[in-house]
Amino acid sequence: QVQLVQSGAEVKKPGASVKVSCKASGYAFSNYYMHWVRQAPGQGLEWMGIINPNGGNTDFAQKFQGRITMTRDTSTSTFYLELSRLRSEDTAVYFCARGPVLIVGATGWLDPWGQGTLVTVSS
Amino acid sequence: DIQMTQSPSSLSASVGDRVTITCRASQDINTYLAWYQQKPGKIPKLLIYAASTLQSGVPSRFSGSGSGTDFTLTISSLQPEDAATYYCQKYNSAPWTFGQGTKVEIK
Repeated sequence: QVQLVQSGAEVKKPGASVKVSCKASGYAFSNYYMHWVRQAPGQGLEWMGIINPNGGNTDFAQKFQGRITMTRDTSTSTFYLELSRLRSEDTAVYFCARGPVLIVGATGWLDPWGQGTLVTVSS
Repeated sequence: DIQMTQSPSSLSASVGDRVTITCRASQDINTYLAWYQQKPGKIPKLLIYAASTLQSGVPSRFSGSGSGTDFTLTISSLQPEDAATYYCQKYNSAPWTFGQGTKVEIK
């Protein structure tokens, strides 16, 4: 079955960077888009960006422009989210979530989701 | 960017009640809308896509409707396990914006 397994919790100081991984299995890695979504404590879901695993093209929410990087490693079927210049407001659970198959374009819902990675930013 | 607005932000209903949650888009999104359920401490779960198509395995008491700018999620007979927060999301184009969520509590 399709599985997305994320890396473990992180604690970072303000100004540092964090890199979260999402290992995909159970499907053709290069055939589906991958999204990243975050959720601050007690808050709603916030879409961060999307990556095309075939070529690595990305599209980000404007609020993260300049400090977000999304990459993928096709040899290990793993996606990565890196967020730099962390501040306390970046404390959240970060989810990867699979998007639609590439052949239909990026228009599609998110399913399934990874288990989430808690990133805590604190001095 | 298109904004997604859900109402109400929370509700309390009894087991067996019919519950309706509304999601409004600030521009026409056709039927490019999904609904997710998130229980406390759990990951979001896809309930409905294309505004009205039930994801496999989701109980038939859940239904979705709407197109353009106005959408609804209906639970025909609320069950105790339906206590959760529900989110709508547009997916016609970037950004894939979520609504702010509707928390459903059981009386």
